[in-house]
Amino acid sequence: DIVMTQTPLSLSVTPGQPASISCKSTQSLLHSDGKTYLYWYLQKPGQSPQLLIYEVSNRFSGVPDRFSGSGSGTDFTLKISRVEAEDVGVYYCMQGMYLRTFGQGTKVEIK
Amino acid sequence: EVKLVESGGIVVQPGGSLRLSCAASGFIFDDYTMHWVRQAPGKGLEWVSLITWDGDATYYADSVKGRFTISRDNSKDSLYVQMNSLTTEDTALYYCGKGDFRYSRDRRIDYWGQGTLVTVSS
Repeated sequence: DIVMTQTPLSLSVTPGQPASISCKSTQSLLHSDGKTYLYWYLQKPGQSPQLLIYEVSNRFSGVPDRFSGSGSGTDFTLKISRVEAEDVGVYYCMQGMYLRTFGQGTKVEIK
Repeated sequence: EVKLVESGGIVVQPGGSLRLSCAASGFIFDDYTMHWVRQAPGKGLEWVSLITWDGDATYYADSVKGRFTISRDNSKDSLYVQMNSLTTEDTALYYCGKGDFRYSRDRRIDYWGQGTLVTVSS
């Protein structure tokens, strides 16, 4: 099974400042088809998860460009260039290489 | 607009059974893989199961394999999961999720319902 490990587990950020979340997988998420099956989600308080980033670095429809994803193989990063109040919630990475597995989640709050 | 509405969550005793449903609209249901994902109270997301667009292939997390059965009725735009031998560990909010398009190599879960709560308790 592929295990996804996120760090940090919580983050307190001043509005307007950047934030970064790391996600590491126990196996490479690079498929032989050339795609890397790594996704990022945000679950805002009291809401269902919403897709932010697919295949490492592609923003989903309607996602602001302050969100960006990077990485390769087993190491990935989600960056928020300037955190806004509406960005609070729990961020999850998910692998799609073999079935699906989520990271533990990173709780982001505003200072 | 994609809409997923789960139903069927109740309080059930350990060892009991339950069937959850998810009604889909706003997209061509039989073109997409569908998922169940759950979230125990105060915990993170746990992928449970997926079923391909045609229902020909199903996959399960080890934690539910042999106890849960995912199915779909494309004529009714509906997804189901039959849950047997329930334990307190199965207590969670169960989400259905829209997966990837049948002709794509994407593996996303791009839309989620609001979830239905299953409580396993005596």
